[in-house]
Amino acid sequence: EDQVTQSPEALRLQEGESSSLNCSYTVSGLRGLFWYRQDPGKGPEFLFTLYSAGEEKEKERLKATLTKKESFLHITAPKPEDSATYLCAVQATGGFKTIFGAGTRLFVKA
Amino acid sequence: DAGVTQSPTHLIKTRGQHVTLRCSPISGHKSVSWYQQVLGQGPQFIFQYYEKEERGRGNFPDRFSARQFPNYSSELNVNALLLGDSALYLCASRRTSGREDTQYFGPGTRLTVL
Repeated sequence: EDQVTQSPEALRLQEGESSSLNCSYTVSGLRGLFWYRQDPGKGPEFLFTLYSAGEEKEKERLKATLTKKESFLHITAPKPEDSATYLCAVQATGGFKTIFGAGTRLFVKA
Repeated sequence: DAGVTQSPTHLIKTRGQHVTLRCSPISGHKSVSWYQQVLGQGPQFIFQYYEKEERGRGNFPDRFSARQFPNYSSELNVNALLLGDSALYLCASRRTSGREDTQYFGPGTRLTVL
């Protein structure tokens, strides 16, 4: 069964303290892995799509990487405005559904 | 360009009632997906529609139904509401091109069932 597990559930950082969020996945064949940011009470905001192992993508202080079993979202020198829930999702080859993890809640303190 | 729009923003219903939620995708996108997100969890897939045809359904009871109109907007209907149906309902507009399949979410409809 296709599955996505994110860790940690919550992460508290000081402003400027870099860290990584983990997304472990099990899927029959990976079509794409997605990262989203979600603020409280709002819809998820698209960040990245990764398609194959070894691929990396960057956007401002965020960098996403992909291996055959997991993906990391690296946050460099975070700011308080980076505080949000970060969601990871996968889509299987030939499938129609996108499976989301439970998310990592990030808190960045000034 | 306008993003994905959903209406209403908030809705309060009582058990046993029926609800209809609406979604308009990004212009040019022909596919829409619906998700249910319970507090503290990730979104759970309900339906995908493409060119007015149902392409996929998640593990939800038959009380949940949807349709897509010729202008690609969509409705999600839930009958015989239960307390457990209280959640944020998200609509996603999908852009598919080659191997790319990216979803852009709307702001959601917060449904409370009393």
